[in-house]
Amino acid sequence: QKEVEQDPGPLSVPEGAIVSLNCTYSNSAFQYFMWYRQYSRKGPELLMYTYSSGNKEDGRFTAQVDKSSKYISLFIRDSQPSDSATYLCAMSSAAQKLVFGQGTRLTINP
Amino acid sequence: EPEVTQTPSHQVTQMGQEVILRCVPISNHLYFYWYRQILGQKVEFLVSFYNNEISEKSEIFDDQFSVERPDGSNFTLKIRSTKLEDSAMYFCASALAGGANTGELFFGEGSRLTVL
Repeated sequence: QKEVEQDPGPLSVPEGAIVSLNCTYSNSAFQYFMWYRQYSRKGPELLMYTYSSGNKEDGRFTAQVDKSSKYISLFIRDSQPSDSATYLCAMSSAAQKLVFGQGTRLTINP
Repeated sequence: EPEVTQTPSHQVTQMGQEVILRCVPISNHLYFYWYRQILGQKVEFLVSFYNNEISEKSEIFDDQFSVERPDGSNFTLKIRSTKLEDSAMYFCASALAGGANTGELFFGEGSRLTVL
């Protein structure tokens, strides 16, 4: 089983829709969970991070972590064309390295 | 807004040649990283660097790779003898003390390496 799994998409939704992005993982040692956004030909940009289980909200973005199911989600409300990008989940234990998912390519259609 | 800068943006080299990729991390950051992304694949960890030494490295980071912080502002990745499979986008990242564990890394725009 892969350490972090993420559906690569592509995912295409109309402007204003609620978007749900997900990752599953197998390593119980992961404690820190991140979502990065990557525009074409750019480096990943941190959107949100969460420690352990629970929800975190930041504007139109909500991150959820369910450690019992080894499942994390990112919800985008009122999606905008500017949200079109690749979304990467990433995780770490107390170690230095991040383990990334494959990334989901998202397009928001006006 | 402070940012991580990387040079060159694209380098083409012949197999077997040495390559040095350069990064200027954010000035007050203490932790430095190199990641790479082969086209169509995941972003993969290569190495982390703190207090002038490697703190962790992946299996990818073999004897052909080295990192250095030569002057307190630059952070370099050297590949001694490039192979075709080294072709990838290489990302430099930096973090504050707490960010290293929480994943609050700041990435540069990447250096694309093409090995022919």
